[in-house]
Amino acid sequence: AQTVTQSQPEMSVQEAETVTLSCTYDTSESDYYLFWYKQPPSRQMILVIRQEAYKQQNATENRFSVNFQKAAKSFSLKISDSQLGDAAMYFCAYRSPQSNSGGSNYKLTFGKGTLLTVNP
Amino acid sequence: DTEVTQTPKHLVMGMTNKKSLKCEQHMGHRAMYWYKQKAKKPPELMFVYSYEKLSINESVPSRFSPECPNSSLLNLHLHALQPEDSALYLCASSQDWWISGMNTEAFFGQGTRLTVV
Repeated sequence: AQTVTQSQPEMSVQEAETVTLSCTYDTSESDYYLFWYKQPPSRQMILVIRQEAYKQQNATENRFSVNFQKAAKSFSLKISDSQLGDAAMYFCAYRSPQSNSGGSNYKLTFGKGTLLTVNP
Repeated sequence: DTEVTQTPKHLVMGMTNKKSLKCEQHMGHRAMYWYKQKAKKPPELMFVYSYEKLSINESVPSRFSPECPNSSLLNLHLHALQPEDSALYLCASSQDWWISGMNTEAFFGQGTRLTVV
């Protein structure tokens, strides 16, 4: 079974600064998807960024970028120019690729989350 | 439209009550999910529907009964719940992987905050 580990329960950053959230995972699969989701106090889980394991290039979405190290099974999220609105719980998640295993690819395996505080 | 809409947003129910949570999406997604989330914890998968058929039941107690009347709607019927069932219940949907193996992210609703008294 896959596992996802977020070793930082809480992080804080000054507004306009850069912060990196860590995520490691364990899998025996060679192809998979990795995600970072953000959950602000409004409760809705919002997709921040997605990475396909077969792609060597790190994904980037505006101020958000990842450092994907497949051999090390590491998937960290870098937030540049942090804004007050970035304050939220951030979850790293793993998803298997399509398979014939009757639905297991639908499962998202989440890490325990990192609570990010942005200080003005 | 990339929204998943859940109603109600808040629900307080007694242990003998029967209530239902509703979820709706109009993105043409054929996979829909129910998750349960306790405070400061990650979401835990409860059920997955694929093409209106129950695909995954994560050994959820029978006091939770899911229903998928059509491809846009997902319900969760609640009966005889316990106080420990109080949580945030999240609905999500995604493209079925037969159609698009690439767009595999799940879109989540805002959740229903359930309190069992």
